[in-house]
Amino acid sequence: QVQLQESGPGLVKPSETLSLTCTVSGGSVSSGTYYWSWIRQPPGKGLEWIGNIYFIGSTKYNPSLKSRVTISVDMSKNQFSLKLRSVTAADTAVYYCASAFYGDPHFVYWGQGTLVTVSS
Amino acid sequence: EIVLTQSPGTLSLSPGERATLSCRASQSVSSSYLAWYQQKPGQAPRLLIYGASSRATGIPDRFSGSGSGTDFTLTISRLEPEDFAVYYCQQYDSSYTFGQGTKLEIK
Repeated sequence: QVQLQESGPGLVKPSETLSLTCTVSGGSVSSGTYYWSWIRQPPGKGLEWIGNIYFIGSTKYNPSLKSRVTISVDMSKNQFSLKLRSVTAADTAVYYCASAFYGDPHFVYWGQGTLVTVSS
Repeated sequence: EIVLTQSPGTLSLSPGERATLSCRASQSVSSSYLAWYQQKPGQAPRLLIYGASSRATGIPDRFSGSGSGTDFTLTISRLEPEDFAVYYCQQYDSSYTFGQGTKLEIK
């Protein structure tokens, strides 16, 4: 069973870059079994898919965030990461990493989530 | 982008009752690409149903999904106390989108 754990700063200043890492256990980011995704949830609101990455480095992003997002994989650490540039208060949310089986369009495994607040 | 609209926003029922949650898409969705999740306070979402009607591993058979095209339904046949939570539908076409959620609360 895959387990996911988010890590990163809980507070980011406006206009700066939000950086989060998801550590994977029970599975390998270098296998072709999964897509690795980031999803966020503003406080009291619904879920928004940010983007995903496949082990060969191919990425897909939410069109509404595409200009500010980069997702990457570090196979040596069995991690994948999120960078969101030029953040504003609207980017305050719980950020989840999640995984979907390759070819399946639903998220089977989720991290516990980490709250990131954008504030000066 | 396909927009998913869930109804009702809040559903108040008692344990033992039947719950019917609706998810309507702004355009046709492949049944293979419609999923349902349950989220409890302070927890990550949990996959319940995928492919519109297939239960995920470990999900009790009181949960069932149905529908096609633009109209999908999640049914909980007999509510247990642990079922009171927020439920989201999710679809994939060229991008993933979620509905806004239905809160199932104890009456």
